[in-house]
Amino acid sequence: DAGVIQSPRHEVTEMGQEVTLRCKPISGHNSLFWYRQTMMRGLELLIYFNNNVPIDDSGMPEDRFSAKMPNASFSTLKIQPSEPRDSAVYFCASSPSPYEQYFGPGTRLTVT
Amino acid sequence: DAKTTQPNSMESNEEEPVHLPCNHSTISGTDYIHWYRQLPSQGPEYVIHGLTSNVNNRMASLAIAEDRKSSTLILHRATLRDAAVYYCNAYNFNKFYFGSGTKLNVKP
Repeated sequence: DAGVIQSPRHEVTEMGQEVTLRCKPISGHNSLFWYRQTMMRGLELLIYFNNNVPIDDSGMPEDRFSAKMPNASFSTLKIQPSEPRDSAVYFCASSPSPYEQYFGPGTRLTVT
Repeated sequence: DAKTTQPNSMESNEEEPVHLPCNHSTISGTDYIHWYRQLPSQGPEYVIHGLTSNVNNRMASLAIAEDRKSSTLILHRATLRDAAVYYCNAYNFNKFYFGSGTKLNVKP
């Protein structure tokens, strides 16, 4: 298996632009997680899906952030409009159970 | 969700055992204890998890205190490739919280 696939790996955009991050989970995994990592705040859980349904989005910072999982093999995290404080590494992880999460390589987002 | 406390950093010599401690004094009876590690410029990697009993796998061992308020990740023979940030967390299904982790430095 190729593992969790994230794209793009790097994204540089200007403030106010829309940003879409993509994730392909490991086949057969029924849970998907989006995280954000910064030096200041560490690793934060943004949202968690189980069987394509959002279970907990309490970590989504504000309405500018939205996440979808239209099917078991694809998820997106969208930021509209983006701000410089959104600059971070965004990780997607999938899991066959609550106990083992497999992380992707991350997307490094820079908003100027 | 239980919050965890770990030392900011630890140092070990190569090929010696390493004991990484974690306090989770507010853990509930159904919270599982997990350990992940993050190598430089990579995503976190699952290491091990447990509930009450000590656990072993090919990567490490997990020793859980009898009162479950603390645990220790044991790397039996540290290698240079084990240099990473190690995260301990305790959660019950939906609530997942990563602490600040312990940065492990392994000296040759």
